[in-house]
Amino acid sequence: EDQVTQSPEALRLQEGESSSLNCSYTVSGLRGLFWYRQDPGKGPEFLFTLYSAGEEKEKERLKATLTKKESFLHITAPKPEDSATYLCAVQARYNFNKFYFGSGTKLNVKP
Amino acid sequence: EAQVTQNPRYLITVTGKKLTVTCSQNMNHEYMSWYRQDPGLGLRQIYYSMNVEVTDKGDVPEGYKVSRKEKRNFPLILESPSPNQTSLYFCASSLTGLMTYEQYFGPGTRLTVT
Repeated sequence: EDQVTQSPEALRLQEGESSSLNCSYTVSGLRGLFWYRQDPGKGPEFLFTLYSAGEEKEKERLKATLTKKESFLHITAPKPEDSATYLCAVQARYNFNKFYFGSGTKLNVKP
Repeated sequence: EAQVTQNPRYLITVTGKKLTVTCSQNMNHEYMSWYRQDPGLGLRQIYYSMNVEVTDKGDVPEGYKVSRKEKRNFPLILESPSPNQTSLYFCASSLTGLMTYEQYFGPGTRLTVT
């Protein structure tokens, strides 16, 4: 069964304190792994897509990496505006149209 | 402005009263999808559409219907809503192709069924 597990459920950081969020997945052939950011009361906003193990993508203070079993979202020197829920989703090779989301990591960055 | 719109944003209804949540996108995307979001369960896919007149079930399609008569619109229909369909619903759209499928999400519709 295709499945995505994110940890931790919640993370509280001080401004400037770097950390990583984890997304573990099981899927019958990974086609793509997606990271989204969701602010309270809004729809998810696309951040990154990763397609193969070893791939890395960066955007400002965020860097996403991918292995054969998990992905990490590294946050370097976070700021309060990085506070949000971060969602991970996988897309399987056998059906590009289906997506499986994790339940998210709620990040709170204190000034 | 490129966007996905949903209406209504909030809806309180009673068990068994048919309702429709509309979704429209202005980006000429082929792919559209509906999700529900529940605490601790994340986003779960209800239905998706690869193009006009082409739809298929996601993981939790029971109790829902969809139609795709025009490329820009993808309404979600609850023929006989029940309390277990109380949830936050999101519509999303994307291009399709080799290196795409990044989804653009609407603002959400919070549905309460009493």
